[in-house]
This record gives sequence, C-alpha cells and structure tokens, in this order.
Amino acid sequence: GAGVSQTPSNKVTEKGKYVELRCDPISGHTALYWYRQSLGQGPEFLIYFQGTGAADDSGLPNDRFFAVRPEGSVSTLKIQRTERGDSAVYLCASSLRVKGADSGANVLTFGAGSRLTVL
Amino acid sequence: KNEVEQSPQNLTAQEGEFITINCSYSVGISALHWLQQHPGGGIVSLFMLSSGKKKHGRLIATINIQEKHSSLHITASHPRDSAVYICAVGTNFGNEKLTFGTGTRLTIIP
Repeated sequence: GAGVSQTPSNKVTEKGKYVELRCDPISGHTALYWYRQSLGQGPEFLIYFQGTGAADDSGLPNDRFFAVRPEGSVSTLKIQRTERGDSAVYLCASSLRVKGADSGANVLTFGAGSRLTVL
Repeated sequence: KNEVEQSPQNLTAQEGEFITINCSYSVGISALHWLQQHPGGGIVSLFMLSSGKKKHGRLIATINIQEKHSSLHITASHPRDSAVYICAVGTNFGNEKLTFGTGTRLTIIP
C-alpha cells in the first residue's frame, strides 16, 4: 500500500477483554515496529520485527501482550485480559532497513495509530 | 533522568519568527530522528541524521555528536507549522528501535 495502515483506528473495550490491533506496512518494508503512546508522552518501544521473526520484544510490558507477523508483512498486536492502564495509542511503523545508519531508506513511516480505550 | 530531553516543552511564537527546538541525549546513538505530530494525527518523519546538518524547505536540523545535542530550526514560521515536534534516538545501527523525547508543542499565532 501507499502508507502504513492500522486498524481499527479506535477501539473501546471492557476490562478483561481480548483485543487485536492490525498493522499493514508499506509493501516491501522488511522492518516493522510497534510503539505505544500514552497521553502527553512520547511513544515507547514495544516490539520490532525483521521479516517474520521478532528481533526484539524487550518493550512488551508483560505476557498479556503478544505480536505476530507470520508472513513478513501484516502484523497483529494481541492484548489479553486488557486493563485500564493499557489505554493508549498503539503506533505501527515500518522501514526498508538497508545497511548504513544514515540511509534515507531507514527512515520510519508511521501509521495513524489505533486508539485503545479500556473501560 | 530521561535519556532524551527536549526543550522547551511548549513554545508559542508569532508567524514569521525563527523557531529553535532543542534535544539533548545521554547515550551513544546510531542516529537521531526529528518527527512531527499534528493533533489527532499520525507521526511524520522530518529528518534522520547522525552528523552535521540537514535542510528541507524551511526546516533545518543540526547535530553535535560530541555534545550529544541536536536542534531543529524552522525559518519563517507559519501557523501550519503548529504541531508537536519529537526528538528520538536510535542506539543500534541494526534497527530503528527508538527512544523518544516527550515532545515540544509548538503554536504559531497568525
């Protein structure tokens, strides 16, 4: 696609429910990132995929959070037994990931985010 | 102490003024990113740099690696520049796992 697409754009759920958030990155982008942004804060890293594998999941807050990218394109962030503290905007970003720290291809393209509200 | 600190947190200026937003970081970095976030909108990448200076239109970003400091400048500011500007650093040459500052909210008054 032309940009990074995230669905749903808004999700309201009740405490204890299961939620899935989807990210469709730019076609051909091998690297995919999930970040979480709480109100008034900068985004915080959750997990990074290179291809199909989770290269770094050190930002996932606990075992209620899980993400997959089975075919190396679309990724799903899954949250079990949601809590009110999970309320945030969940951002997905992708990049081409080529060698060279200053390569323009490694600039991240962000989706518009999925706003999750847990009541 | 946050690894990435921005100043000021809020900035209001008149249209046409020269704007400077500062970012200091405390870790070794592979690259520094400047991003723009409009209210209710997504995040747009403005610059990624690891040395020197980059310019795009009215925006200029500079970085001093020795001093661990970067600045974002906006010349001839316009109300449409009103947004939150976020500095973020990557510490690994192998990926764009970023640590973000809390942002600078810029308001340009016509």
